[in-house]
Amino acid sequence: EAGVAQSPRYKIIEKRQSVAFWCNPISGHATLYWYQQILGQGPKLLIQFQNNGVVDDSQLPKDRFSAERLKGVDSTLKIQPAKLEDSAVYLCASSLEWAGNTEAFFGQGTRLTVV
Amino acid sequence: ELKVEQNPLFLSMQEEKNYTIYCNYSTTSDRLYWYRQDPGKSLESLFVLLSNGAVKQEGRLMASLDTKARLSTLHITAAVHDLSATYFCAPGQWGGSEKLVFGKGTKLTVNP
Repeated sequence: EAGVAQSPRYKIIEKRQSVAFWCNPISGHATLYWYQQILGQGPKLLIQFQNNGVVDDSQLPKDRFSAERLKGVDSTLKIQPAKLEDSAVYLCASSLEWAGNTEAFFGQGTRLTVV
Repeated sequence: ELKVEQNPLFLSMQEEKNYTIYCNYSTTSDRLYWYRQDPGKSLESLFVLLSNGAVKQEGRLMASLDTKARLSTLHITAAVHDLSATYFCAPGQWGGSEKLVFGKGTKLTVNP
């Protein structure tokens, strides 16, 4: 079974530029998450989709971050304009809820450096 | 809002020793997940605990869940160097759909 695919793996941009990340979840997984992991910290949920609807975006900085999940499959996360503090690894995860188990499977992440 | 506290945050131990990592959380949750992260890598699922009293074991690692105490433990038996990694616990929080709230992680270093 193919895992969660993310691209690009690495990105370096200057502050105030824009950037977009792409995620393809495991086939059939209805739930898709974007997490931000700053070095030395645990992942922080930015946004959660159930199919193509947003379930939780309470911690998404909506003045600069946006995300969409078209047709309930692939998702993109965009930052515009980027700030230095956005430097982090952006992790995409997906899950298939069955018997109350919502175990999330993570992609390799995109390491963003804002200079 | 669900808060998750892991301790210790850093753990340096000798091979062949035993130790326990603790994960406390602030509000009711009857599911908890443990993940492992190697440096520069993504998160790998270790254990899924779906009910009070659940216990899972894989090799030298054993995880348990006490939902009444809002506590999960990850016990390491006879540690080996290969277990060196950062371990995260993540209770599930329900809000229309379950989401995972992660602790800060425990960085484990096993020394020869």
